Amino acid sequence: QSVLTQPASVSGSPGQSITISCTGGSRDIGGFNSVSWYQQHPGKAPKLMIYDVVTRPSGVSDRFSGSKSGNTASLTISGLQAEDEADYYCSFPGMFGGGTKLTVL
Amino acid sequence: EVQLVESGGGLVQPGGSLRLSCAASGFTFSTFAMSWVRQAPGKGLEWVSSISGGADNVYYADSVRGRFTVSRDDSKDTVFLQMNSLSAEDTAIYYCAKDLAVRVYSGSYISWGQGTLVTVSS
Repeated sequence: QSVLTQPASVSGSPGQSITISCTGGSRDIGGFNSVSWYQQHPGKAPKLMIYDVVTRPSGVSDRFSGSKSGNTASLTISGLQAEDEADYYCSFPGMFGGGTKLTVL
Repeated sequence: EVQLVESGGGLVQPGGSLRLSCAASGFTFSTFAMSWVRQAPGKGLEWVSSISGGADNVYYADSVRGRFTVSRDDSKDTVFLQMNSLSAEDTAIYYCAKDLAVRVYSGSYISWGQGTLVTVSS
């Protein structure tokens, strides 16, 4: 199976915007619009935040947005809040990225 | 409200077997693909296996193919994961997850259970 590469950590101050990247290849991210993003707080199950690259499930804040360019997908969180501090994972059917720890300073 | 409740985890010796169950409620179980995702202690998420609605298609990660078997009983709204030849590398919390799309496996997991811990150790 392919590998999805994410930065290990990102950080930002409250109110700022941050972007988490997820790099795959032409046979996964680059070839299909099937990227999802998950948020996971410590000790909790993951929560779906974005699917099909850009779509937010009902109930997810519009501060979360997704995009894709070539083989790289991105998750942007605007108006950063303390509650956004968590681990974030990108995924493509059959695989997950390594995860990114978001710290809100 | 969708609910997924995993059970069957526990301590098992290397080489042993376990069967995990995930009881679902709050949706038409038979029409959705279901998946198992695991997370080793302090590590990231790892997709393990998926089964389409109607069980027409099953999928496995390379790391478990030939050792794990996914199945479902739509009469009982339950999905199973039979795990054989377990090793320490299989130690993890195992989550059951409901797919977003109807029938086919889309790889987007809209609902998750609380997980069940599997520990492989002598």
